[in-house]
Order: sequence, then structure tokens, then C-alpha cells
Amino acid sequence: DQQVKQNSPSLSVQEGRISILNCDYTNSMFDYFLWYKKYPAEGPTFLISISSIKDKNEDGRFTVFLNKSAKHLSLHIVPSQPGDSAVYFCAARNYQLIWGAGTKLIIKP
Amino acid sequence: NAGVTQTPKFRVLKTGQSMTLLCAQDMNHEYMYWYRQDPGMGLRLIHYSVGEGTTAKGEVPDGYNVSRLKKQNFLLGLESAAPSQTSVYFCASRIRAGNNEQFFGPGTRLTVL
Repeated sequence: DQQVKQNSPSLSVQEGRISILNCDYTNSMFDYFLWYKKYPAEGPTFLISISSIKDKNEDGRFTVFLNKSAKHLSLHIVPSQPGDSAVYFCAARNYQLIWGAGTKLIIKP
Repeated sequence: NAGVTQTPKFRVLKTGQSMTLLCAQDMNHEYMYWYRQDPGMGLRLIHYSVGEGTTAKGEVPDGYNVSRLKKQNFLLGLESAAPSQTSVYFCASRIRAGNNEQFFGPGTRLTVL
């Protein structure tokens, strides 16, 4: 029973355009959501987070949106850059973090 | 600051062999975690520790043991390795309070034949 789902295994976006990564969850008890970025042969690194009492959080080119009624969050990257090519994981907290399977983002030059 | 380091980076074991993975952090973090990552799946929590001398089970603890004798180190042991334990193992740490941001090591790729 996957409580956190990232339904797109991969996403290809043109450099300079917007990248939108999606994440759905089933557990309404999650109170905090995080996005991590992972390069090959490295550990995940924290990108941005959002509390369940908010619906938007922004940090530079990265914005996370939370729609609690739909149990859906998304990560927007604007503009997309080649260095953004990586695997992106969403994670949700209910005492411990529950992780999605990740979406591989490919930025095309 | 080295952050979170993991030893070894790669290891190949035969079924039934034992080994210990070492995680070290120099950030004085209270909490430490061991995860495994398998293809097509998110990270799954094996064991965690909320402080020196404490450990607790995560989502997939069977076949693993852990110890946290020193605050900066968190050891993951496999007593009798099985092919199902072939995976990439990540260690992470975080401060006690805060926004739940965990800092990860580079991972250990383990193959059990």
C-alpha cells in the first residue's frame, strides 16, 4: 500500500521552460512534506518543504504547492536548467518520512 | 565538515555472510536513520535512532540489526545476508528539532550473491 505516489517515472523538459513534478498521497495524517533531489551515486539532498497548514512555499526557482483536499502536491521549477536533471523524491511525514518512488527529470538543451 | 559519510561504498557478499555498514556524521545530530532503496521504490526505513544508546525499528527491519554506541556513529549489521538484501543503503541524520530535513550519506551499494 503506497501512501506516497509519484506516478511519472520520468519527465523531459526543455531548458528554460517550467518543470512540474507531481506527488499524490493517501494518508490525511501527514503534516509535513519535503522534496529531495538526487544525482547518480550520491545521497538525496533536501530541496524544499511545506507544512500541511500552508498551500504554497517558494524558494528561488522552486515552488511547492499543496492541495490538501486533493491530497496532491507539486514542485514547480522555473526556469529549468541543465543542472536540474536529477531524480526528485517527495516525502511525507507521519512520525517518520514516507517516500515516493521518484521522478527522473531530464532537462534538454 | 564531512557531513554524513558511509563505509564501504561497495560490497559483494555471498549468501549467509555477515557484514557491518558504518555511518558517521560530524554535525552533532541527534537522530540517525538507515534506509534501503530498491529499483522503482522509494526509500524505506530500516532502523533509526533518536539518540546515543537508542535504536528503534522502521518499516523493514527484518534481517538487520543496528547499534548507536556513540552519538556520531550508527552501524547497520547483516548477520546472514540474503539475495533479497541486495540494495543501495543510505544513512541519514538530522537535528532533534526543526523542519525534518535529513542529511544523507552517499550510499553503499550491496550485492548479495
